[in-house]
Amino acid sequence: QITLKESGPTLVKPTQTLTLTCTLSGLSLSTSGVGVAWLRQPPGKAPEWLALIYWDNDKYYNPSLQSRVTVSKDTSKNQVVLIMTNMDPLDTATYFCAHRIVEQGLDYWGPGMLVTVSS
Amino acid sequence: DVQMTQSPSTLSASVGDRVTISCRASHNVNTWLAWFQQKPGKAPKLLIYKTATLQNGVPSRFSGSGSGAEYSLTISSLQPDDFATYYCQQYSGYPWTFGQGTKVEIK
Repeated sequence: QITLKESGPTLVKPTQTLTLTCTLSGLSLSTSGVGVAWLRQPPGKAPEWLALIYWDNDKYYNPSLQSRVTVSKDTSKNQVVLIMTNMDPLDTATYFCAHRIVEQGLDYWGPGMLVTVSS
Repeated sequence: DVQMTQSPSTLSASVGDRVTISCRASHNVNTWLAWFQQKPGKAPKLLIYKTATLQNGVPSRFSGSGSGAEYSLTISSLQPDDFATYYCQQYSGYPWTFGQGTKVEIK
């Protein structure tokens, strides 16, 4: 059974850096074709894709956030980390990580975690 | 970026109705199109990928079709569990983008 879970701070101050960790179980990040995406969803709005990292360490970013976002993986821990700098109240959202296999959809999602940016 | 536009934004229907949600892309997405269902406080759930491939475990009353820049999701007979918000998402190119959502409400 494949599961993902996000962890990190639920409250950050403006200008601070957010670090979120996605821990996966039931699959290996080193398996060919595996990718993990980060997405976020502000309250009442549609999801927004942020970044994606593949088993071979290929990385893709949303250009609208590329200068602020970094994604990395630790295969030994089966974790993917998202770092987002210079947080703003507009970054308040539920942050999700999700699994995909190349050419398929985002089939497994973490439950999400609400991150609030406020002083 | 590829802009995704769904219609309608809200749909009122009854149990047993056949409903169709449309999704239009600003560019050809070459059938790299997925549909998600989301309920309040939950993560999106993948229903369909590659335009028409049903994800494992998804009831066969859900179906997808389309090509080029025009796609649709059909629920053949709406069930009580289907009242939710639906999103289309293109993964033809980066950045991946979502439609604004269609909320299916009880009539």
